Amino acid sequence: QQQVKQSPQSLIVQKGGISIINCAYENTAFDYFPWYQQFPGKGPALLIAIRPDVSEKKEGRFTISFNKSAKQFSLHIMDSQPGDSATYFCAASQGAQKLVFGQGTRLTINP
Amino acid sequence: EAGVVQSPRYKIIEKKQPVAFWCNPISGHNTLYWYLQNLGQGPELLIRYENEEAVDDSQLPKDRFSAERLKGVDSTLKIQPAELGDSAVYLCASSLTGREQFFGPGTRLTVL
Repeated sequence: QQQVKQSPQSLIVQKGGISIINCAYENTAFDYFPWYQQFPGKGPALLIAIRPDVSEKKEGRFTISFNKSAKQFSLHIMDSQPGDSATYFCAASQGAQKLVFGQGTRLTINP
Repeated sequence: EAGVVQSPRYKIIEKKQPVAFWCNPISGHNTLYWYLQNLGQGPELLIRYENEEAVDDSQLPKDRFSAERLKGVDSTLKIQPAELGDSAVYLCASSLTGREQFFGPGTRLTVL
């Protein structure tokens, strides 16, 4: 029940396209859902996060869509750029407890 | 504002040797986390501190791993003795709110 399932494992998108990564969770006590971006040799960097009382949050080219009834949330990257090529992790937490991470998606943006 | 600082960045040791990792969190962040990240996977929590107190160490292999956070600031994670399977990246994160967690660059451990 602590798992967060992420798909796809890898994704290739053309420059200017929309990248979409999906996550599903089971624990309804989760109340915070962040997305992290990780470049090789670096630690995960917080990208954007959402609470379950909001269905969508947008920051620049990055949007989180949240479906509480389906227990799913997704990251959309609009106008994808080669610099967005990285591994993306969704995560979930309850209160100040540990983040439970998805398995990661390796995103490649072709120029 | 300086981020989370970790050292060393890389460590190569022989199996059965001891190793220690150090973390300096973002100033003012009371909550500190140590995560383990295996290649191609998401980080997994080892231990969480609230100030000096370890409030969640349920995933820490206590037969060989230990951690401390003296004075509620810096923290050290130790492995003794190291095994081949301990090769991974050890990440430190800190949080002010208990929600947003900010990660350091990690220490990449290779056990030969």
